[in-house]
Amino acid sequence: NAGVTQTPKFQVLKTGQSMTLQCAQDMNHEYMSWYRQDPGMGLRLIHYSVGAGITDQGEVPNGYNVSRSTTEDFPLRLLSAAPSQTSVYFCASSIKGVTGAFFGQGTRLTVV
Amino acid sequence: GESVGLHLPTLSVQEGDNSIINCAYSNSASDYFIWYKQESGKGPQFIIDIRSNMDKRQGQRVTVLLNKTVKHLSLQIAATQPGDSAVYFCADVFGNEKLTFGTGTRLTIIP
Repeated sequence: NAGVTQTPKFQVLKTGQSMTLQCAQDMNHEYMSWYRQDPGMGLRLIHYSVGAGITDQGEVPNGYNVSRSTTEDFPLRLLSAAPSQTSVYFCASSIKGVTGAFFGQGTRLTVV
Repeated sequence: GESVGLHLPTLSVQEGDNSIINCAYSNSASDYFIWYKQESGKGPQFIIDIRSNMDKRQGQRVTVLLNKTVKHLSLQIAATQPGDSAVYFCADVFGNEKLTFGTGTRLTIIP
């Protein structure tokens, strides 16, 4: 099993560009979520999904869109990148009622 | 709003000694609490969890204590090893598996 796979690992964007961060899991987990991690801070929830076709906002959703067309994939879209979105992004998946979400290795995004 | 925080940002421990990492939380309705370990350049890794109706849980070399009266959580690591060096996060879970993370404690093991 690959677990949770994020691509790319590193990305540099110019202000105003758009891009999609990919996240895929092969564990048939219902729950998937996106977090961002900034220096000196814990992970903050951006968006999450409790199943295919269902998404909801987390703590810091502005500037990001998500969709969940399949159980396996949960892409995160930056519509118009801003320097404030420079961060490390983590995708996670879990099973309902089972603790301990599995995290991907992260995508380090720099917006210049 | 609700928050989860840690008492100290850094902790240095002699190799072989026990480590205690503390965490305070504010949401009295949290369903359970989780400790994660994050090594440099990697995603958080699940260590141990504890349900809100428990006050202690033990794993391999780790023990989590929950004091609901003062809303305090601690992670004890026995006989710390160099591989225990990492940032440790506590997180609480309330509904729909949403995690709220603390800011983390960096544990450094002194040889």
